[in-house]
Amino acid sequence: DTGVSQNPRHKITKRGQNVTFRCDPISEHNRLYWYRQTLGQGPEFLTYFQNEAQLEKSRLLSDRFSAERPKGSFSTLEIQRTEQGDSAMYLCASSLDYGGSYNEQFFGPGTRLTVL
Amino acid sequence: DQQVKQNSPSLSVQEGRISILNCDYTNSMFDYFLWYKKYPAEGPTFLISISSIKDKNEDGRFTVFLNKSAKHLSLHIVPSQPGDSAVYFCAASGNFPNAGKSTFGDGTTLTVKP
Repeated sequence: DTGVSQNPRHKITKRGQNVTFRCDPISEHNRLYWYRQTLGQGPEFLTYFQNEAQLEKSRLLSDRFSAERPKGSFSTLEIQRTEQGDSAMYLCASSLDYGGSYNEQFFGPGTRLTVL
Repeated sequence: DQQVKQNSPSLSVQEGRISILNCDYTNSMFDYFLWYKKYPAEGPTFLISISSIKDKNEDGRFTVFLNKSAKHLSLHIVPSQPGDSAVYFCAASGNFPNAGKSTFGDGTTLTVKP
């Protein structure tokens, strides 16, 4: 078990470009989460999946953001037409949960996005 | 409206002494609370948790206390060690509308001086 991995670790892009990040969760984990973190703040929930189903999206998530988890394994987060305000650390986490239970989430190292 | 608040951005303690980190929440639907530790250039790592049916949970040097009536929890680290220096996040979860997602506070940076 190598933990949660995220690629790339750093991404610099120009405003208006599209970017895509990948997250590989711990293999047996059924839940996968995306968070965004800016300097001095805690992780802010974006969306999460149980297996391949996207169960919830934050109301703060604009329609420029889309996430997929096509086979219930890895996930991608795409940001279209990036804006400078999208600059942040994007964190992925996974957990093993069933029904109404919840356990600790295992976080990846994050992808730092800089929009110029 | 921030539902989980950590009002102290930073805390400095001497090695061997107790560190107490505080967290307040506003949503009474939260019923599971977690503490994560974060080192620079790494993602948060789970430290300890507590269910709302308990008021205390202990794991080695780490103890979390929950006061539901005050909507307050605290993390005690005894004795504090220099390796404990990190950012500590309080997080809360509830079974609404789906279980599992966590709401985080903004963190407290703990510095343990040798």
